[in-house]
Amino acid sequence: QQQVKQSPQSLIVQKGGISIINCAYENTAFDYFPWYQQFPGKGPALLIAIRPDVSEKKEGRFTISFNKSAKQFSLHIMDSQPGDSATYFCAASTQAAGNKLTFGGGTRVLVKP
Amino acid sequence: GAVVSQHPSWVICKSGTSVKIECRSLDFQATTMFWYRQFPKQSLMLMATSNEGSKATYEQGVEKDKFLINHASLTLSTLTVTSAHPEDSSFYICSAPRRAGEGNEQFFGPGTRLTVL
Repeated sequence: QQQVKQSPQSLIVQKGGISIINCAYENTAFDYFPWYQQFPGKGPALLIAIRPDVSEKKEGRFTISFNKSAKQFSLHIMDSQPGDSATYFCAASTQAAGNKLTFGGGTRVLVKP
Repeated sequence: GAVVSQHPSWVICKSGTSVKIECRSLDFQATTMFWYRQFPKQSLMLMATSNEGSKATYEQGVEKDKFLINHASLTLSTLTVTSAHPEDSSFYICSAPRRAGEGNEQFFGPGTRLTVL
């Protein structure tokens, strides 16, 4: 059972544009929602994370929007740059389950110059 | 940010041999570490939770006798793939929370590419 569904699977955006990736979850016990960026052949790196008591969090060009009632959260990458071309994963975890991360399927983002 | 290292970064072995992968937290102690497997163009799948001083907890469908995990110290966890076969070829990644039981932020290692011939 896939507990975190991520869309789209791939995304092409022009330099300077906005990349938007969406995730939906099922388990209402999740209490931590991070986004990771992964380049080919590398481990994931934490981009930004949010907890369910906050509806939005912004760090630089990256913003998470969180909708608790809809059980959805999204990543917005503003002013997308070619260096942002990577695979992005949303994830969710709960302290009650030992902080194990459940990952979404990933979104491959290509930013065209 | 916290640093997690893995060794080796890549390994090629013959079918039937065993391979050990190390995961180290370099600047913090980790009573818990996680091991993931990632196939090409797929997401990360949690294999097991490594617990310092106790047995690892394996996810459903992961063979504990094939993927041996040892968490001998607060900074080192090892994953041994025993009797490796070509279908075990994958990208293995570990992660560690900076402070177990306090917050959820996890730091990932750079991964180990295993190729079984």
